[in-house]
Amino acid sequence: NAGVTQTPKFQVLKTGQSMTLQCAQDMNHEYMSWYRQDPGMGLRLIHYSVGAGITDQGEVPNGYNVSRSTTEDFPLRLLSAAPSQTSVYFCASSYRQGARNEQFFGPGTRLTVL
Amino acid sequence: GEDVEQSLFLSVREGDSSVINCTYTDSSSTYLYWYKQEPGAGLQLLTYIFSNMDMKQDQRLTVLLNKKDKHLSLRIADTQTGDSAIYFCAENLDGGYNKLIFGAGTRLAVHP
Repeated sequence: NAGVTQTPKFQVLKTGQSMTLQCAQDMNHEYMSWYRQDPGMGLRLIHYSVGAGITDQGEVPNGYNVSRSTTEDFPLRLLSAAPSQTSVYFCASSYRQGARNEQFFGPGTRLTVL
Repeated sequence: GEDVEQSLFLSVREGDSSVINCTYTDSSSTYLYWYKQEPGAGLQLLTYIFSNMDMKQDQRLTVLLNKKDKHLSLRIADTQTGDSAIYFCAENLDGGYNKLIFGAGTRLAVHP
């Protein structure tokens, strides 16, 4: 199993450009999430999905869109990049076992917006 | 509100024990987790504890939970240089998605 994969590893954008961060998992997990990690702030939830065709907003959704057409893929779209979106982005997938939600993380995408 | 707090930095000598502390605010948390992040990598689950437990031991790791004070700690015995990383505490809120709330992370530096 590859687990959770993310592409690209690094990306530099100019303000106003759009792009899609890719995320895929091969563990047949129902749940997938996108987080951003900023220094001193831990991980903040951007969007999440509880199954194909179902997505919802997290803590910091503005400026980002997601869709979940398959169980495996959960791309994150930046509509019009801003310097405030410079961050490291992590995708995670998880399964529920009762009340437990164990999340498996991808290696991250480091995004710089100039 | 939901909040998880950790001290940002801890420095220990190789072979000593490390204790990383975390406080959380939501009393409905069902599970609490410790994740480890090595440089340039994603987060990796180290261990977790269910809210009705006081302690969990897993080889060199000991997790202590004080529900009354909403305090969680991770003790690493015989700390090695390979333990140098950022450690995140997270609480699992009850609800349909069981959302995780992460602390800011504690950077553990192990020196000879």
